[in-house]
Amino acid sequence: KNEVEQSPQNLTAQEGEFITINCSYSVGISALHWLQQHPGGGIVSLFMLSSGKKKHGRLIATINIQEKHSSLHITASHPRDSAVYICAVRLNQAGTALIFGKGTTLSVSS
Amino acid sequence: KAGVTQTPRYLIKTRGQQVTLSCSPISGHRSVSWYQQTPGQGLQFLFEYFSETQRNKGNFPGRFSGRQFSNSRSEMNVSTLELGDSALYLCASSLFANTEAFFGQGTRLTVV
Repeated sequence: KNEVEQSPQNLTAQEGEFITINCSYSVGISALHWLQQHPGGGIVSLFMLSSGKKKHGRLIATINIQEKHSSLHITASHPRDSAVYICAVRLNQAGTALIFGKGTTLSVSS
Repeated sequence: KAGVTQTPRYLIKTRGQQVTLSCSPISGHRSVSWYQQTPGQGLQFLFEYFSETQRNKGNFPGRFSGRQFSNSRSEMNVSTLELGDSALYLCASSLFANTEAFFGQGTRLTVV
């Protein structure tokens, strides 16, 4: 069993829809990251969370430490949001090593 | 402010050769981590360096090695390349350990 599980694996949406991507983990963590990867490979860090909720534009990320669960929401989705979204956790120990989920491939059509 | 720079962007090597990849972190960042991404295994942690010291190493064979210089630039080396080493190699820098990580564009290595 992977230490970081994401769902769904693939997601198709129409422009304007509200999107939710979920991430569950089974280990003690010091922080959780949401990353975005477009075709071509470059990864952009969207959020780093250790508790509560963060918002940036149309993106919202929440984390529940007790339940070991995080969600990434995209409000009013747009075709440019099409990408792979990756959840990664930093273990509750020294260092910056990340453990990654398999990613969620989002495709938003107009 | 310049981002994380990885060179080269693309590389084709033959089995048995060795390769060196370079990562220049954001100015002022002292922590550099390396990751391998393949379609089958996804993203996997290779190494983490902080102030020229390797602090953590992932579960990869000894053919994979790395180092960090006094200016925080980092290199990783893969010796005796195998076909399975074909992957996107990404590095990420952060100001200190456990702060937000910023990723480079990656080096796509193809082993033929």
